[in-house]
Amino acid sequence: DSGVTQTPKHLITATGQRVTLRCSPRSGDLSVYWYQQSLDQGLQFLIQYYNGEERAKGNILERFSAQQFPDLHSELNLSSLELGDSALYFCASNEGDFNEKLFFGSGTQLSVL
Amino acid sequence: DQQVKQNSPSLSVQEGRISILNCDYTNSMFDYFLWYKKYPAEGPTFLISISSIKDKNEDGRFTVFLNKSAKHLSLHIVPSQPGDSAVYFCAASEGGGGADGLTFGKGTHLIIQP
Repeated sequence: DSGVTQTPKHLITATGQRVTLRCSPRSGDLSVYWYQQSLDQGLQFLIQYYNGEERAKGNILERFSAQQFPDLHSELNLSSLELGDSALYFCASNEGDFNEKLFFGSGTQLSVL
Repeated sequence: DQQVKQNSPSLSVQEGRISILNCDYTNSMFDYFLWYKKYPAEGPTFLISISSIKDKNEDGRFTVFLNKSAKHLSLHIVPSQPGDSAVYFCAASEGGGGADGLTFGKGTHLIIQP
């Protein structure tokens, strides 16, 4: 058990809808990262938050947004969903900057029908 | 353009033998490399890492080799055990910039046969 909790584990929705994925980092970790894993793709970095502030952005679509709350949990919001957004979304956490070692949650499998 | 490539989507190895997983990269600025292991229905877990100032790092049955001139790294597992069956991801970062700079490969599915 990595100590990172993601909910829900599975999510099925329709095109055009909006969903929210939730992540609780390991106790004591200040950084939260979101990754997307599509079929036959590696892990694609979406966005990082550190202690409530956005720290780095990767290949995140404008339809997607995230935030980190004062209790350090994070939410990833996906809107105007398209079929191609179907993927496994991982949250990861670590202590903070300059630390490449990540602790991953078990992921949320999103299916857009 | 894929900067980290794992050209073997899958690899089958007999229990007790050596498993060798390969990873190639194109970005010469990468200076820190990691391997993650992923079981079905779980997130990836950190396995082993290596800095570009080294060419080898060992941790028990796992050894990572780095060949900077060839931009190639490999993960050796000796001896291979059934519990090693998983997907292995290679990842690289540059400039000590932290995990936001991590670039992952697509993974290699290792199957250990009894």
